Amino acid sequence: DSGVTQTPKHLITATGQRVTLRCSPRSGDLSVYWYQQSLDQGLQFLIQYYNGEERAKGNILERFSAQQFPDLHSELNLSSLELGDSALYFCASSQSGKADTQYFGPGTRLTVL
Amino acid sequence: AQSVTQLGSHVSVSEGALVLLRCNYSSSVPPYLFWYVQYPNQGLQLLLKYTTGATLVKGINGFEAEFKKSETSFHLTKPSAHMSDAAEYFCAVSDSGTYKYIFGTGTRLKVLA
Repeated sequence: DSGVTQTPKHLITATGQRVTLRCSPRSGDLSVYWYQQSLDQGLQFLIQYYNGEERAKGNILERFSAQQFPDLHSELNLSSLELGDSALYFCASSQSGKADTQYFGPGTRLTVL
Repeated sequence: AQSVTQLGSHVSVSEGALVLLRCNYSSSVPPYLFWYVQYPNQGLQLLLKYTTGATLVKGINGFEAEFKKSETSFHLTKPSAHMSDAAEYFCAVSDSGTYKYIFGTGTRLKVLA
């Protein structure tokens, strides 16, 4: 158990819909990362937050957005969903976000029908 | 720009044989390098990391990796494979400038009895 929690574990929705994935980092970690893992794209870094502020951006689509709240939990919002958005979405956390060990949550499996 | 290349998407070894998983990186600044392991239906877990200092890094479960700047490589080795080592292994690179993490496409290790 990494100490990172993600909800929900599974999500099935339809194209065009909007969903929110939630992540609670390990106690004491200030940095949160979001990743997308799919068979064709592999593990893609989406975005990183540090203490409530965006720190780094990867291959995140404009339809996707994220934020980190004052209590340090984070949410990833996916809108106008397409079939290709079906993937495993991982959240990870680390203490400072600078070459730290990242602790990964168990992931949310999103299926878009 | 940073990049990571993992040679071989699938590697099979016999139980007790040497494990060698290859990773080459590209970075314009001194890199931070990581190996993570993903067991089926789980998130990623750190095996080891290189930031500065000793170029031979020891990790968990008997794995180690050597940072070779001249070859831009960070190959992962284990002297004797166990059945429990069967998993997917990811090499990743980061740097203190961008804070972005770039993961390789992964190598699935199969251990044969």
